[in-house]
Amino acid sequence: AQKITQTQPGMFVQEKEAVTLDCTYDTSDPSYGLFWYKQPSSGEMIFLIYQGSYDQQNATEGRYSLNFQKARKSANLVISASQLGDSAMYFCAMREGGVADKLIFGTGTRLQVFP
Amino acid sequence: DAGITQSPRHKVTETGTPVTLRCHQTENHRYMYWYRQDPGHGLRLIHYSYGVKDTDKGEVSDGYSVSRSKTEDFLLTLESATSSQTSVYFCAISSTGVDEQYFGPGTRLTVT
Repeated sequence: AQKITQTQPGMFVQEKEAVTLDCTYDTSDPSYGLFWYKQPSSGEMIFLIYQGSYDQQNATEGRYSLNFQKARKSANLVISASQLGDSAMYFCAMREGGVADKLIFGTGTRLQVFP
Repeated sequence: DAGITQSPRHKVTETGTPVTLRCHQTENHRYMYWYRQDPGHGLRLIHYSYGVKDTDKGEVSDGYSVSRSKTEDFLLTLESATSSQTSVYFCAISSTGVDEQYFGPGTRLTVT
């Protein structure tokens, strides 16, 4: 079974609009962490935002926020005021428990921002 | 930006030859990781290290070995390269093992 599911292979958004990238996860461990990474066409992996399973509030980092719905096991990334430079692949990832070896990635969503 | 470099950045090699990829960090982080990225699979963990000379297997470790003799260096060796190991390889580091991982620029390996 997929541990991390990103159901949107591609998304389009107009510049200055907000966009939500979906991520659902599957774990029975009460302690876990959720991460989002951005991969532009240049290929590097850029850490964006982190949410711990015990965090009471949704994580925010600048224009990025994580819409964490624990009961639904979803951790959607919201990008506000999209910019052309946001065009990239976005990966959701999960770490289960305190296990250092296990960062499991989804297959990614390609976001394209148009003027 | 985290100080992580990978070498070489690009390599073409023939089936059956050994290949070693190097990851070097200047952050003094304890944890280091090797991933491979293939279309349709996201990133998958190959091996990781939780200290000097301490390593363990990840999800796709067959055909790969690693070594870490210094905190700053983590080597990935393909013992006898196969075409299925054509991929982009990323190194990552983490200070605690449970916080965010920071990635190197990647190595594109082609096995012909």
